Amino acid sequence: AQTVTQSQPEMSVQEAETVTLSCTYDTSESDYYLFWYKQPPSRQMILVIRQEAYKQQNATENRFSVNFQKAAKSFSLKISDSQLGDAAMYFCAYRGPNFGNEKLTFGTGTRLTIIP
Amino acid sequence: DSGVTQTPKHLITATGQRVTLRCSPRSGDLSVYWYQQSLDQGLQFLIHYYNGEERAKGNILERFSAQQFPDLHSELNLSSLELGDSALYFCASSASGVEEKLFFGSGTQLSVL
Repeated sequence: AQTVTQSQPEMSVQEAETVTLSCTYDTSESDYYLFWYKQPPSRQMILVIRQEAYKQQNATENRFSVNFQKAAKSFSLKISDSQLGDAAMYFCAYRGPNFGNEKLTFGTGTRLTIIP
Repeated sequence: DSGVTQTPKHLITATGQRVTLRCSPRSGDLSVYWYQQSLDQGLQFLIHYYNGEERAKGNILERFSAQQFPDLHSELNLSSLELGDSALYFCASSASGVEEKLFFGSGTQLSVL
């Protein structure tokens, strides 16, 4: 079974600085999808960024970018120019390649605090 | 706004009772997923429906059941409720295909007293 590990329960960063959240996963598949979701205090799950495993290029969405290391099964999220609104729980998630098995497997989350 | 609608937002009930949670997916999305988020278990996949048919089951208790109707909305039924069933229940939807993104509703907070 696939597992997703987030080893940092909590992180903090000064406003306007850069922070990196770590995620590792375990799978025997060669094609799959990786995601970072943000859950602010409102508890809404918001998709931050997505990476397809067959793409070598790291995904980027504005201030958010990933460092995808397929061989190491590592998928970290970098937030640049941190803003107060970035404060939230961040969940890393894995999704398999097969139709009929598209469920997301989540890590335990990292709580990010932004220091003004 | 993700386009996924969940009702009710909050539900308070007693042990032994039965409740129904409702989810309307984004327009055109054929897949509906249910997830449970609790402090001790984290985010757990419960069940996936695609175009009215059950596609995959996760850690769903026998006391729980779900279905997806012809208009593609879905309902999650929780019966013989226990204190440990208190959690945030999310519905998510996606278009067909594994490459599609999942969009989550705002969740139903269930409190069993």
